[in-house]
Amino acid sequence: DVKVTQSSRYLVKRTGEKVFLECVQDMDHENMFWYRQDPGLGLRLIYFSYDVKMKEKGDIPEGYSVSREKKERFSLILESASTNQTSMYLCASSFQGRRRFFGPGTRLTVL
Amino acid sequence: AQKITQTQPGMFVQEKEAVTLDCTYDTSDPSYGLFWYKQPSSGEMIFLIYQGSYDQQNATEGRYSLNFQKARKSANLVISASQLGDSAMYFCAMRGDFLGSARQLTFGSGTQLTVLP
Repeated sequence: DVKVTQSSRYLVKRTGEKVFLECVQDMDHENMFWYRQDPGLGLRLIYFSYDVKMKEKGDIPEGYSVSREKKERFSLILESASTNQTSMYLCASSFQGRRRFFGPGTRLTVL
Repeated sequence: AQKITQTQPGMFVQEKEAVTLDCTYDTSDPSYGLFWYKQPSSGEMIFLIYQGSYDQQNATEGRYSLNFQKARKSANLVISASQLGDSAMYFCAMRGDFLGSARQLTFGSGTQLTVLP
């Protein structure tokens, strides 16, 4: 089975801090994704990557950046965290266009 | 652009009964795929079932079936013989089959299902 892991389940940061969320998958998937989940809004795509060093903006990229230096690892970076970035962050991976395998999620609180 | 609409924020069902969770979609892609995911309170997203737009038969996976009505643009999830462990948030999602949209998976806002003993 595919395993997607995220570095933290819960994270508390202060406004203005730089935040790194790490995601690792073990199935050599080419595609990796970062989603944000908020009540009543479902999952919204922040960024995705279809190859090493390749990335594309999703629906809500503002305030975020990403890094993919190795195929198995996809990092989401909040350059200067703000309170409106308090949310659940979900990482996923997939092979070609097939179904996403999701990580357990990181619940980020920005104070 | 793709859009998924789930009009039921919350649903209740008695244990052992069947329940239908509604999902309608909108897309300009001639070929696409529809997914249902389950998210328990623990947070992980669990894949349940997939329907391709050109599949001749409705998808089934154990107690889950997808009532796909292409002309109506609906892809409702039917859970038969509900169990207490089915209590969770359920998301409908869609992916286009062309290069650009194949990388996008558009989610609905979700339906919180509660199974009553």
